[in-house]
Amino acid sequence: SAVISQKPSRDICQRGTSLTIQCQVDSQVTMMFWYRQQPGQSLTLIATANQGSEATYESGFVIDKFPISRPNLTFSTLTVSNMSPEDSSIYLCSTARTSGASTDTQYFGPGTRLTVL
Amino acid sequence: GENVEQHPSTLSVQEGDSAVIKCTYSDSASNYFPWYKQELGKGPQLIIDIRSNVGEKKDQRIAVTLNKTAKHFSLHITETQPEDSAVYFCAASIRGSYIPTFGRGTSLIVHP
Repeated sequence: SAVISQKPSRDICQRGTSLTIQCQVDSQVTMMFWYRQQPGQSLTLIATANQGSEATYESGFVIDKFPISRPNLTFSTLTVSNMSPEDSSIYLCSTARTSGASTDTQYFGPGTRLTVL
Repeated sequence: GENVEQHPSTLSVQEGDSAVIKCTYSDSASNYFPWYKQELGKGPQLIIDIRSNVGEKKDQRIAVTLNKTAKHFSLHITETQPEDSAVYFCAASIRGSYIPTFGRGTSLIVHP
């Protein structure tokens, strides 16, 4: 499986500010995703990061709040804009393997732990 | 859309005991079922998965069973160890869809 890294690993931010999270994969992958995991909760998909085109957002998430970039097949960023304490969560990057039979297996990065004061 | 229910939400066992986590799904078109383990402060890690053409799969102390008729699948951990303590998530997805539906997670605590 691909090795996925995220930066920063954690941050404490003031409300009203923005934070950009980076996701780097050690090999080219077709699919990249961003998830949010609120404390003690399951994983909620924010959007699919599409290379060379706009991200596809899930219901309840909008581009103005969570702009996403994907300039190439190994890198993506998620920005959490105009933050409020409700944005305090773990943000996870994931990728999907696209070779062989397991074309639908997702692998996750270590996560970015965001606290908004 | 798909709905995945996971039970129990918390499971406490003694070291050496077995642990079983159960999930049900609603969409009969789902045919891929991964399980993830998330340790404190880390991202979810795939530990085992099963496809709908298989009824059971084992990997050392971990096994997963699938009952397509009843639309449920289970994770079995034998001879539990303290390092098995983590949150476990089941998921279900349709082949070709890269986006699984996750259960709400089970916090497994293994007491030494």
